[in-house]
Amino acid sequence: DTAVSQTPKYLVTQMGNDKSIKCEQNLGHDTMYWYKQDSKKFLKIMFSYNNKELIINETVPNRFSPKSPDKAHLNLHINSLELGDSAVYFCASSHGGTNTEAFFGQGTRLTVV
Amino acid sequence: SQQGEEDPQALSIQEGENATMNCSYKTSINNLQWYRQNSGRGLVHLILIRSNEREKHSGRLRVTLDTSKKSSSLLITASRAADTASYFCATDAGYGNKLVFGAGTILRVKS
Repeated sequence: DTAVSQTPKYLVTQMGNDKSIKCEQNLGHDTMYWYKQDSKKFLKIMFSYNNKELIINETVPNRFSPKSPDKAHLNLHINSLELGDSAVYFCASSHGGTNTEAFFGQGTRLTVV
Repeated sequence: SQQGEEDPQALSIQEGENATMNCSYKTSINNLQWYRQNSGRGLVHLILIRSNEREKHSGRLRVTLDTSKKSSSLLITASRAADTASYFCATDAGYGNKLVFGAGTILRVKS
C-alpha cells in the first residue's frame, strides 16, 4: 500500500489552464504539506495543513489554492497556469509535533507549455 | 533563501568507498534530517538528529551535528551502486514542522 499517493504523476498543460493535483495519505497523520522542487532541485515548502486547517502559507501566489476535505487528503488547485509553474510538486505528511519525519509522495511533474 | 547549504554539490566515488556530505544552516533548529531522492522519485527519510544530539548511527549511515557551527555531516560507509542518489539535509526550526531543505548533494557510486 502506498503511504502517500499523489495523482497524476505527469501533467502537461497549456498556459492559462486550471489544473488540480490530488494527494492522499493512509498513515493516519495529522499534518500534510505541499513542496515545490524546481529545475535546480531546490525544494521549498508551499503549504502545510494540520487537521484540515492551514498553518503555513509560504507567500505562494493566490493562483495556488490548497484544499483539505479531511485530514487524509490535501489537494492543490492551480489557476491560470504560467510557464514558471513548471516544476515537480511533492505532497508529504507527518505526525506533527516535534522531531517527526516527513513521508513524501512520488511527485507530480507539471509542465506548462 | 535556502537555509541548508550542502557541500559538495556532486560526489563520485567507487563502490566500497565512504561518502561524506556536509550541510550548513543559519538559524536555531529543533532537529536536522537527511533525505535521499532517487532519480524521478520522491524523498525518503534516512535519519533525524535532534538539536541536543551530537552523533547518530543507522546501519551504514553516520550523522553528526555541531550546533555551535550550525553544521552537520552524513557519512555513508562501504558505499554501494544502489546508494547513487541525491541527498538532502533539512532543518526543522519548529514552525509548524516546516522543513527547510538544502540544495542537495548528487552522489554517484561507480561499480
